[in-house]
Amino acid sequence: KAGVTQTPRYLIKTRGQQVTLSCSPISGHRSVSWYQQTPGQGLQFLFEYFSETQRNKGNFPGRFSGRQFSNSRSEMNVSTLELGDSALYLCASSLNPRGGTDSNQPQHFGDGTRLSIL
Amino acid sequence: SQKIEQNSEALNIQEGKTATLTCNYTNYSPAYLQWYRQDPGRGPVFLLLIRENEKEKRKERLKVTFDTTLKQSLFHITASQPADSATYLCAPQEGQNFVFGPGTRLSVLP
Repeated sequence: KAGVTQTPRYLIKTRGQQVTLSCSPISGHRSVSWYQQTPGQGLQFLFEYFSETQRNKGNFPGRFSGRQFSNSRSEMNVSTLELGDSALYLCASSLNPRGGTDSNQPQHFGDGTRLSIL
Repeated sequence: SQKIEQNSEALNIQEGKTATLTCNYTNYSPAYLQWYRQDPGRGPVFLLLIRENEKEKRKERLKVTFDTTLKQSLFHITASQPADSATYLCAPQEGQNFVFGPGTRLSVLP
């Protein structure tokens, strides 16, 4: 079974631009979560999608948004990029959404997109 | 506010010894707690999950304990090997709230 695939692996942007990152979950997984990882803040939750609906959202500004398609693939978008947005963006998939029935599922992570803002 | 702490940012041990990593949480009542391993430039990989009504869970050389009174989980790697060198993250889960700790970077020296 193929794992979680994130594209692109590396991206360089400048301040003020916008960026779209893509995530293909493990086949059959309908929950997709996005995280931002930086050396100073660690792994921080951005949002979770399940069945094309956003279920949970972390404490990030509205510049960070996402969506999920009917095939469970997900994208996240960051607009008006700032220097502080430089980070590793990780996507994780699981069978069930967090907090629901049988929600004690492990998160399966991709290897992330390394975003650098110049 | 909710807080997760993992013992020292970095831990060095000699090959063959047992590594013990600590995860402490405050203002949380997690029903589950997960442990992950992360190698540089890679995403975290799930290792073990322990429920609040379980005291201990084992998988090969790994052992996890969960003490809801102390609000603490311990993660042990016995007979450690250089290949065990990585960052280990704990993740207490309370309802929809699933937060990762800052991680402990373990180095196993040959």
